[in-house]
Amino acid sequence: NAGVTQTPKFQVLKTGQSMTLQCAQDMNHEYMSWYRQDPGMGLRLIHYSVGAGITDQGEVPNGYNVSRSTTEDFPLRLLSAAPSQTSVYFCASSQGGDLSLYEQYFGPGTRLTVT
Amino acid sequence: EDQVTQSPEALRLQEGESSSLNCSYTVSGLRGLFWYRQDPGKGPEFLFTLYSAGEEKEKERLKATLTKKESFLHITAPKPEDSATYLCAVQLTTDSWGKLQFGAGTQVVVTP
Repeated sequence: NAGVTQTPKFQVLKTGQSMTLQCAQDMNHEYMSWYRQDPGMGLRLIHYSVGAGITDQGEVPNGYNVSRSTTEDFPLRLLSAAPSQTSVYFCASSQGGDLSLYEQYFGPGTRLTVT
Repeated sequence: EDQVTQSPEALRLQEGESSSLNCSYTVSGLRGLFWYRQDPGKGPEFLFTLYSAGEEKEKERLKATLTKKESFLHITAPKPEDSATYLCAVQLTTDSWGKLQFGAGTQVVVTP
């Protein structure tokens, strides 16, 4: 049981390049989320999914796309990278429905630098 | 506007010196409040869920409490291995299970 995995761990992009951050979970969780973490700002929600085929925007969705074709995978696409997207990106998953059992599991993160 | 504010931003403690971290929230409807621990270079790790005022949860040297406006994370007789950033997050009754709103965190350093 690997939990939540993310690839790559580190990435450097030039302005205007596109790329996909990968996220996978093996816990059969319904809910998956992408956050970015910047110094002094905490974690901010980018996009989230409540199940395969269903996604919605979070607090800071501009410049990012997501899709969820399977329960396990939730990739995050940067369409045209900008220096403002330099950040650490975390993927998380959870099984909702019962608050007493609720826990959001986080991946190890992807550190992205856009030059 | 829904807000989650953590204080202090940073806390330096001597080993054995107990202290408390604060997480205050102004939200429209709280489903639950969560505490996470984050070590440098790693993802947040779940500590506690609290969902009603007056509730308390304990784990080793950590104790979390919840009121209608804020939550406290008490660290009793901390050890150097308790050094980490502690994050609180809220989930609103109007939000999906996949959606948490985080505070900026409190960085705790415990020196021997």
